[in-house]
Amino acid sequence: GENVEQHPSTLSVQEGDSAVIKCTYSDSASNYFPWYKQELGKRPQLIIDIRSNVGEKKDQRIAVTLNKTAKHFSLHITETQPEDSAVYFCAAKYSGGGADGLTFGKGTHLIIQP
Amino acid sequence: DAGVTQSPTHLIKTRGQQVTLRCSPKSGHDTVSWYQQALGQGPQFIFQYYEEEERQRGNFPDRFSGHQFPNYSSELNVNALLLGDSALYLCASSPGTGVYNEQFFGPGTRLTVL
Repeated sequence: GENVEQHPSTLSVQEGDSAVIKCTYSDSASNYFPWYKQELGKRPQLIIDIRSNVGEKKDQRIAVTLNKTAKHFSLHITETQPEDSAVYFCAAKYSGGGADGLTFGKGTHLIIQP
Repeated sequence: DAGVTQSPTHLIKTRGQQVTLRCSPKSGHDTVSWYQQALGQGPQFIFQYYEEEERQRGNFPDRFSGHQFPNYSSELNVNALLLGDSALYLCASSPGTGVYNEQFFGPGTRLTVL
């Protein structure tokens, strides 16, 4: 089955700086890659996603890049703000053979230092 | 729209007991997925229900079973509870089973097994 590795496990950046979280996946048939943000005690919420036929997608301060050949994708957050502090999860999805569940990475705890 | 709701919020059980968790999907959604999130880990896919049938199953034993009702709500049942079953159980709903359909998560049920 699919395996998703996520790094780093903890990332501390100064407010206003950029943050980058990286993920790799194992199954080349995966074709959808969402990113979820989970604040302490709250539900995971989708912040951005990318399909396998797209190399990059941007939404205001958040961007995601995908390298299908290398099987890795990254989340980029620019001009970080205190409210960006949370745990971020990458995930991969493969829809072949009726399979539809998300495979998640272990998460990155992003800490924004004032 | 109340979004995805889950009950109960918290639950404490002892080893060997059985538990039932409930999920109501977001309005307009007909597909429900269940995930287990251990402390400090990413969610792990348990199974997905669509049209009252289990479509796909992750790497979980038969002690984990589920059901979907005609109104699309769903139940997760866990038999013969083990200490290792202690986790946050998340339900996610989506509008159909398309690979690019966003999964909306509920707040989760925190299960503690003593």
